[in-house]
Amino acid sequence: DAGVIQSPRHEVTEMGQEVTLRCKPISGHDYLFWYRQTMMRGLELLIYFNNNVPIDDSGMPEDRFSAKMPNASFSTLKIQPSEPRDSAVYFCASSFDGETQYFGPGTRLLVL
Amino acid sequence: DQQVKQNSPSLSVQEGRISILNCDYTNSMFDYFLWYKKYPAEGPTFLISISSIKDKNEDGRFTVFLNKSAKHLSLHIVPSQPGDSAVYFCAAGGANSKLTFGKGITLSVRP
Repeated sequence: DAGVIQSPRHEVTEMGQEVTLRCKPISGHDYLFWYRQTMMRGLELLIYFNNNVPIDDSGMPEDRFSAKMPNASFSTLKIQPSEPRDSAVYFCASSFDGETQYFGPGTRLLVL
Repeated sequence: DQQVKQNSPSLSVQEGRISILNCDYTNSMFDYFLWYKKYPAEGPTFLISISSIKDKNEDGRFTVFLNKSAKHLSLHIVPSQPGDSAVYFCAAGGANSKLTFGKGITLSVRP
């Protein structure tokens, strides 16, 4: 199995631009999670889906952030407009049992 | 409010010796715990887990111990190898499928 796939691996953008991060979960995994990692706050859960339905988005920092899962093999996390404080590593993870999560390699985002 | 705490930021161990990584939690509703290992520029990799109904789980060189009364768990790596050098995260989960992570500890295994 290829594992969780994320793209792009690196993204550099200017403040105010729209950023779209993509994730393909492991086939057969019904849960998908989006995390953000920063030095100050560590690894934080932003939102998670079960069977393509958003279950908990309480970690989404503000309305500039949105996430979708149109089908079982694809999810996006969008930031519009982006700000320098959004600079972080964003991870996607998937799970078959809702407990053990398997992480992708992450997207390193830098907003100038 | 940190519900999962890894109080030591780093640990250095000689190759072949035991590494003991500690983790404390505050929420008694957590009912399963996991350890992840992370290399630079990679995502966290699942290492081992334990359910709250157990006090020990072993997988090769890795053993996780859980002390529910003390709200404490530890990861033992024996013998430690240079390839074990990485950041280790403790995570705790409950009925809602959400994991809460500690800040991580950097393990360095000296040859």
